[in-house]
Amino acid sequence: DGGITQSPKYLFRKEGQNVTLSCEQNLNHDAMYWYRQDPGQGLRLIYYSQIVNDFQKGDIAEGYSVSREKKESFPLTVTSAQKNPTAFYLCASSFPRVVSTEAFFGQGTRLTVV
Amino acid sequence: DAKTTQPPSMDCAEGRAANLPCNHSTISGNEYVYWYRQIHSQGPQYIIHGLKNNETNEMASLIITEDRKSSTLILPHATLRDTAVYYCIVRPYSGGGADGLTFGKGTHLIIQP
Repeated sequence: DGGITQSPKYLFRKEGQNVTLSCEQNLNHDAMYWYRQDPGQGLRLIYYSQIVNDFQKGDIAEGYSVSREKKESFPLTVTSAQKNPTAFYLCASSFPRVVSTEAFFGQGTRLTVV
Repeated sequence: DAKTTQPPSMDCAEGRAANLPCNHSTISGNEYVYWYRQIHSQGPQYIIHGLKNNETNEMASLIITEDRKSSTLILPHATLRDTAVYYCIVRPYSGGGADGLTFGKGTHLIIQP
């Protein structure tokens, strides 16, 4: 089955530690995205990548880092510089700037800083 | 600068048609209107999209005004499982510029039994 997979579903982190969230897709999509969602809020874009080895900052990139070494994978690292990392993180993929295509989302990772 | 404006919440009776409005008065000629929905604690799900003609699929219908400044998503026979946050977004289909796929706060649709 084609799809986009995020892992883990729940993640706990101690303050001051970096943590990496996984996102893998087998849809052959060129573009991948990371969003953050806080309770009662919409999705805010953290980073996106339209092609391997290239990525751009979204609206709230501070305290986060990404890499895109493979087409299928777009991991997100939440660094200790992120002041309020507890949130629901969503990964998505699509064909970039192509008409009539939809974005597919993973089921999310809920990160809690303890 | 929000590209779309949606009411924060709406109620609809089960079995009735749910009509969700969206204003996108600054939409460009190369931008499509997309609708997604998000059930609590899940990833958003694609519903439908369109450019200027009305569209229908197995989930919903999309009505876009002639001037393309607003649209309405119609769920013809709403069920309790349609309770979700519905996002209207505009997205360019070609050309340069960013493709950040920007979401707003959406409309929380509550289907009442």
